[in-house]
Amino acid sequence: AQTVTQSQPEMSVQEAETVTLSCTYDTSESDYYLFWYKQPPSRQMILVIRQEAYKQQNATENRFSVNFQKAAKSFSLKISDSQLGDAAMYFCAYRNLHSRSGGGADGLTFGKGTHLIIQP
Amino acid sequence: GAVVSQHPSWVICKSGTSVKIECRSLDFQATTMFWYRQFPKQSLMLMATSNEGSKATYEQGVEKDKFLINHASLTLSTLTVTSAHPEDSSFYICSARRTGVYNEQFFGPGTRLTVL
Repeated sequence: AQTVTQSQPEMSVQEAETVTLSCTYDTSESDYYLFWYKQPPSRQMILVIRQEAYKQQNATENRFSVNFQKAAKSFSLKISDSQLGDAAMYFCAYRNLHSRSGGGADGLTFGKGTHLIIQP
Repeated sequence: GAVVSQHPSWVICKSGTSVKIECRSLDFQATTMFWYRQFPKQSLMLMATSNEGSKATYEQGVEKDKFLINHASLTLSTLTVTSAHPEDSSFYICSARRTGVYNEQFFGPGTRLTVL
């Protein structure tokens, strides 16, 4: 079974600064996806960024970028120019590329989350 | 596009009663939907995979008879919590898979269940 570990229960950063959230995972698969999701107080899950394991290039979405180290099974999220609206819970998640049951997709395995605080 | 709704958003029920939660994909068809459970200040845990026209697949430790899942159409999956007890109180979130390059999963807004 896959596991996802987020070792930082809470992180704090000054507005406009850069912060990095850590995530490690364990899997025996070679093909998979990794995600970062944001969950604001509304509890709606919002996809921040996606990384395909077969791609060496780190994914980037505007102020959000990842550092994907496949051999080390590490997947950190860097938020540049932090904004007040970035304050939320951030979850790292894993998904197999191929379904265990042969169907379209498996569900996601989430880490425990990191509570990000933005200080004005 | 890719909007998923849940109904109700909040429900309070008495211990021993059953509660049904609906998950709908509003602008796409979803042969597969997923149900997650989130306790306060904790992560999301996958409960089951809901497959249109077939039986749901439950994760280890999830009681099939307790959490009944029905995926009767390509846009609707329901989760029924049977004989609810206070320990079933939680936040239930569904996601729907949209067929495509990434088989992206889109999340509903969640349902807060409180069992008295």
